[in-house]
Amino acid sequence: DVVMTQSPLSLPVTLGQPASFSCRSSQSLVHSDGNTYLNWFQQRPGQSPRRLIYRVSNRDSGVPDRFSGSGSGTDFTLKISRVEAEDVGVYYCMQGTHWPPWTFGQGTKVEIK
Amino acid sequence: EVQLVESGGGLVQPGGSLRLSCAASGFTFSSYWMHWVRQAPGKGLVWVSRINTDGSSTNYADSVKGRFTISRDNAKNTLYLQMNSLRAEDTAVYYCVRDLVGISSWGQGTLVTVSS
Repeated sequence: DVVMTQSPLSLPVTLGQPASFSCRSSQSLVHSDGNTYLNWFQQRPGQSPRRLIYRVSNRDSGVPDRFSGSGSGTDFTLKISRVEAEDVGVYYCMQGTHWPPWTFGQGTKVEIK
Repeated sequence: EVQLVESGGGLVQPGGSLRLSCAASGFTFSSYWMHWVRQAPGKGLVWVSRINTDGSSTNYADSVKGRFTISRDNAKNTLYLQMNSLRAEDTAVYYCVRDLVGISSWGQGTLVTVSS
């Protein structure tokens, strides 16, 4: 199984400042079809998760452009250009290249300083 | 508007059974793979099971293989998860998810508590 490792597990941030967190996979997430199936999900307190980013860097509909994803192979990053109060929550990366199983990282908890 | 509404959760004793349902609306249900993902209290997300569009292919996490069965009724736009031989470690919120890697949507979840 592919192991997804996120860091840091907790990230205190200042409103209006940028934030960045990492996700690493135990093997390359490049699929034989050439795509890299690495997604990012956001889970606000008390809510269901929602996907923000698919295939490394594509924003889902309705996701603010302050969110951006990057990376390749085994190393991936989610960045928030200017943190807003509504960004508080837990962010999970997930791989869909080598399945089953589909595997999630442990999550990075973002909180306001 | 896409909607996924789970039901069927509740309190069950160890060794017992439950069947979760997920009513889908707002999209062509029969065109999408569907998944169950669970989240134990205060913990992260864990994939549980997946079914293809016509129900002919399924996958399970090792932790539930042989105990859980995923199925779907495309005529009723409904996804199911039959859970047998439940254990305390199955306690979690269970989410119905449309297509984890394609056009993804999540339900609000249903809580399953396994306790005596």
